[in-house]
Parts: sequence; structure tokens; C-alpha cells
Amino acid sequence: KNEVEQSPQNLTAQEGEFITINCSYSVGISALHWLQQHPGGGIVSLFMLSSGKKKHGRLIATINIQEKHSSLHITASHPRDSAVYICAVGSGNQFYFGTGTSLTVIP
Amino acid sequence: GAVVSQHPSWVICKSGTSVKIECRSLDFQATTMFWYRQFPKQSLMLMATSNEGSKATYEQGVEKDKFLINHASLTLSTLTVTSAHPEDSSFYICSVPSTGANVLTFGAGSRLTVL
Repeated sequence: KNEVEQSPQNLTAQEGEFITINCSYSVGISALHWLQQHPGGGIVSLFMLSSGKKKHGRLIATINIQEKHSSLHITASHPRDSAVYICAVGSGNQFYFGTGTSLTVIP
Repeated sequence: GAVVSQHPSWVICKSGTSVKIECRSLDFQATTMFWYRQFPKQSLMLMATSNEGSKATYEQGVEKDKFLINHASLTLSTLTVTSAHPEDSSFYICSVPSTGANVLTFGAGSRLTVL
């Protein structure tokens, strides 16, 4: 069993739709990261969470420590949001990565 | 977080040659850096943790003699793929943890193709 499980693996949405990507983990964490990887390969850290909720523009990330679950929401999705979104959990000196969610937003 | 520069962004080499990839932390003294490999349509796989001034810590299944890591200064870690073979073709990425390892900044990645 993977320490970090993400769903869905693939997601196609129409422009403007509200999108949710889920992440569940089984280890004790110091922080959870949401990462975005564009087709060129570069990875950008979107959020680092240890509790509660964070918002950057159209992106919202939440974490429930008791349930060991986090969600990434994208409001009013746009084709430029098309990317792979990866959930990563920091636990002690280790990082565990989800398999990623490939998002395609269609105009 | 840190500003991380990774070089080269892509490299093509012949089978049997060695390739060195550099990861620089431009504005943060990094005692630790992480090296990952990513195969197409797969997530990141941690290969090793690079420790400044000491030996790297390799993940299970990663050959330390194949993937040489050197972290001689607080701003530079290098990954050398020795005697590269086509199966080593992959996307290699480094990251620098800062602020107590809770903030991760990634390099842009290096795409290696071994012919």
C-alpha cells in the first residue's frame, strides 16, 4: 500500500468547472504539499499545509489531520490549469509522493 | 523557499558514458538536497538524499555506484549517472528543503536520453 493515495488519476473538465483532487495518506506528517507539474516537467509548489485551509487565487487547499486527508480545489478552471497535480507528504526526514492527477481542462 | 537552478535541462549521451547533473541552491545554504527520478506518466521517485560534507543516503534499490552524488558545498549537489544505459533515460529532478524541511523547492529537471 502506498503511503499517499491520490484520486482521481485522470480528470478532464470543461473550462469553468469546479475541480477537486483528493489525497489520503497513512503516515504521520509534518507538512503536506500540493505540487503542479506542467508538460515541460518543471514542478512548482502550490501549497504547503499543516492544518486548515489555504487559498491562492482560484486554488484552495484543505487538510483534515484527523482524517489524514487533503483536497485541492480549482474554481473556474481554465485550460492553463492543465497539468499534473501531485500530493507530497513530509514525514520526519522523508517525503512521500502520490502518483499524481493528470488534469486536462478543455476550452 | 530557496531558488534552485538545475543544469543541464536536457542531455543526450551515448551508452557507456557518464553524465553529470548539477543542482544549485542560489540563495539558501542547503545542507540537504533530494534527487528524484521520474519515468513517463509516473510520479516522482526519491532516489537519494544528498548531505553536505558527508555521504548521500540512497533509497532501497538505487545503486550508489551507478548514481554518484556529491554535495561538496552548501550550494551545490551533483548527480553523476555512470556508464549510462538506455534504461537510465529518465527525467531527473532535484529539490531543496528549507525552513526546517517543510518547504520544498524543485529544480526545473534534467531530461536524460541515453542512446
